[in-house]
Amino acid sequence: DAGVTQSPTHLIKTRGQHVTLRCSPISGHKSVSWYQQVLGQGPQFIFQYYEKEERGRGNFPDRFSARQFPNYSSELNVNALLLGDSALYLCASSPQPDNQPQHFGDGTRLSIL
Amino acid sequence: AQRVTQPEKLLSVFKGAPVELKCNYSYSGSPELFWYVQYSRQRLQLLLRHISRESIKGFTADLNKGETSFHLKKPFAQEEDSAMYYCALGDYGNNRLAFGKGNQVVVIP
Repeated sequence: DAGVTQSPTHLIKTRGQHVTLRCSPISGHKSVSWYQQVLGQGPQFIFQYYEKEERGRGNFPDRFSARQFPNYSSELNVNALLLGDSALYLCASSPQPDNQPQHFGDGTRLSIL
Repeated sequence: AQRVTQPEKLLSVFKGAPVELKCNYSYSGSPELFWYVQYSRQRLQLLLRHISRESIKGFTADLNKGETSFHLKKPFAQEEDSAMYYCALGDYGNNRLAFGKGNQVVVIP
């Protein structure tokens, strides 16, 4: 099992653009969560999705959105990119939406110029 | 709101010396505490969780609700323990984790 896979691994964008990050959970895992990790900080919760529905949302602006597909993969979208959006974006999956251990991907490194 | 505090950013210890990473939390709900670890060039992975009450790689952590702490301890550090350690707080019923800023542990041979 490859574990949680995220694409792309690195991405460079300019201010004002939008970006889509993708995540494939571990086979059999139905819950996907997204985290933002700014350099020098711990991961910060953005969204949780389960069975294609949003189960939780962190303190992020409406520029951030996400969705989950029938195959349980997920996309994180960020519009009107700001310099402060530069971070590592982590995806985590777990079998159910309750607090079982989460399995993290390698992340997507997003750089905003 | 959930809050996790890890006071020391960098901890250097000699091989064979004890290691203790401090974690304090603030939460009014039913907390579930975790320690995650990230070794060099590897992804973030679970080290241990308080409800398991087990020792992983020689590490233990005890939840102290009175002191709202979940300190990570290992009596004898090994070189392979060099890594970034994150304390995380969740709530029963959801997967929303609040992480601390992390501790960089360097074990000196």
